[in-house]
Amino acid sequence: AQTVTQSQPEMSVQEAETVTLSCTYDTSESDYYLFWYKQPPSRQMILVIRQEAYKQQNATENRFSVNFQKAAKSFSLKISDSQLGDAAMYFCALMAPYSGAGSYQLTFGKGTKLSVIP
Amino acid sequence: DSGVTQTPKHLITATGQRVTLRCSPRSGDLSVYWYQQSLDQGLQFLIQYYNGEERAKGNILERFSAQQFPDLHSELNLSSLELGDSALYFCASSPRDRGSGYGYTFGSGTRLTVV
Repeated sequence: AQTVTQSQPEMSVQEAETVTLSCTYDTSESDYYLFWYKQPPSRQMILVIRQEAYKQQNATENRFSVNFQKAAKSFSLKISDSQLGDAAMYFCALMAPYSGAGSYQLTFGKGTKLSVIP
Repeated sequence: DSGVTQTPKHLITATGQRVTLRCSPRSGDLSVYWYQQSLDQGLQFLIQYYNGEERAKGNILERFSAQQFPDLHSELNLSSLELGDSALYFCASSPRDRGSGYGYTFGSGTRLTVV
């Protein structure tokens, strides 16, 4: 079974500052992928950033970057120069093989609600 | 617009009733996934279809069923509805039946309220 844990139900950050959201995961598979999704009040699930487990280099997308620690099974998201539009629920997700069925399952953490203070 | 279309956006129905949620995947995607998002359980995987066939099952109740049609659209049928079934139901799609580094593309969800 695979699990994803987000230990911070809520966080806040001052506009233009930097914030880091934490995520830990567990899987026995060696081939997997990690994602951060953003869910604004519009409810749409938006892919923010992705990381292949076999890549050691941390992924970066503009103001968003990750700290991927494979041995520790940790995958944190750093948002730099926070903007009001970053306010949303952020979900960490793990995609790994599902019960030997040849398919992959995307498992989500319970989310971190990020508020941005003007 | 993500390219994944879900209808209806909102649905209010009474306990004991049956409803059908519809999803059209992004053009070219063969896999469809259904997720349930509730306040206390977060996002729970329900079921996956690939090119018309069931590929994986998650925490889907026996009262729920799904299918994928030849044109690749999918329907999620919820019957004997209970108050606890009130949730946001997401459909997502991907090109293949196995994982990739590109994740899934999500629709905007159907908000189901059971009264």
